[in-house]
Amino acid sequence: EAQVTQNPRYLITVTGKKLTVTCSQNMNHEYMSWYRQDPGLGLRQIYYSMNVEVTDKGDVPEGYKVSRKEKRNFPLILESPSPNQTSLYFCASAGGGYSNQPQHFGDGTRLSIL
Amino acid sequence: GENVEQHPSTLSVQEGDSAVIKCTYSDSASNYFPWYKQELGKGPQLIIDIRSNVGEKKDQRIAVTLNKTAKHFSLHITETQPEDSAVYFCAATYSSASKIIFGSGTRLSIRP
Repeated sequence: EAQVTQNPRYLITVTGKKLTVTCSQNMNHEYMSWYRQDPGLGLRQIYYSMNVEVTDKGDVPEGYKVSRKEKRNFPLILESPSPNQTSLYFCASAGGGYSNQPQHFGDGTRLSIL
Repeated sequence: GENVEQHPSTLSVQEGDSAVIKCTYSDSASNYFPWYKQELGKGPQLIIDIRSNVGEKKDQRIAVTLNKTAKHFSLHITETQPEDSAVYFCAATYSSASKIIFGSGTRLSIRP
């Protein structure tokens, strides 16, 4: 089954404790992206990757890091999480290497930073 | 920066009636406009999309129209059903189709 898998689905942690949210897709997609969803703000793009070893900032990259060492994986790293990063996070992938193709989303990761 | 505005933020319609959600975008170079539906506890799912060389696209009860001159596009759902209740997001690509920006969402409720 074609899918985007995020882990963990829920996480409560404390300010400053490094964390990683993993994202994996099994569709051989070139384009992968991370979003955060906050009430009234929709989905905002954090980082995206157009292929292996190619990553770039979206609209809200501050406080986040990503890497794309393999095509299927695109982890999101919070080196020193802060309460304003409490949010619902989605990973997505798309074929073709660009954002102008249908994106497939994971089921989300709810992060709470205390 | 680039922007996509979506209206209304909430919409309640009687089952069987039509629903319309509207979006405007700022980047005249945007060329891809998808619509996503998000059900509770799930990630968004694509329901329909349109490219800049097309004015209208239909898929059963769902249609999207695009007015490039005015830089706006709309989602039309006819004969609404209870399972249409969800949050809907519009989006537009920009920066040479490397980035995508989403609207703030519309919560659609279908009254029985």
